[in-house]
Amino acid sequence: AQSVTQPDIHITVSEGASLELRCNYSYGATPYLFWYVQSPGQGLQLLLKYFSGDTLVQGIKGFEAEFKRSQSSFNLRKPSVHWSDAAEYFCAVGATGANNLFFGTGTRLTVIP
Amino acid sequence: DTAVSQTPKYLVTQMGNDKSIKCEQNLGHDTMYWYKQDSKKFLKIMFSYNNKELIINETVPNRFSPKSPDKAHLNLHINSLELGDSAVYFCASSQGSEPTYGYTFGSGTRLTVV
Repeated sequence: AQSVTQPDIHITVSEGASLELRCNYSYGATPYLFWYVQSPGQGLQLLLKYFSGDTLVQGIKGFEAEFKRSQSSFNLRKPSVHWSDAAEYFCAVGATGANNLFFGTGTRLTVIP
Repeated sequence: DTAVSQTPKYLVTQMGNDKSIKCEQNLGHDTMYWYKQDSKKFLKIMFSYNNKELIINETVPNRFSPKSPDKAHLNLHINSLELGDSAVYFCASSQGSEPTYGYTFGSGTRLTVV
């Protein structure tokens, strides 16, 4: 059965510090992996996605993520966090033949001055 | 021009009432979805339509009935609302019949049942 785990419910970082949000997946087929961001009161916005090829993918707003098949992970990173990055972040997985995406439970990011 | 638009944004209603949420996408996508986000932010698929055909119908009470008059619209009607239906409901769309390119989400409808 497919599943997505985001082990960190809440992370607090200082503005300007680096960030890594963890995501682990369990899927029988070759996965398609996504990171979404949800600002308060807003819908989810796609940050980046991985289908195949280069395992380091670049996204919007300075985010990147690395697919590691051996670890079943797709962690999101940003070298220097801005106060506007405070939001909820969701990892999601899909695959060929699947009719929908499965989402993790989200990680809430707080940015302190 | 909003890509996926939902109305209303907020909906407060009494238990037992019937209400509808509307969703429209102008992206030319073939597939549309309804997700429910609970108070812990967990997103759960409810329904999916591809070119007006129902392809996903998860374990959802039959008080919830989706309707897709055309591939650009997917509405959600809820009968006999209960307190537990309070949540944020998101509409989303994707290209093709599989979400391999990801979703485009609407901004959500916050439903509060009192």
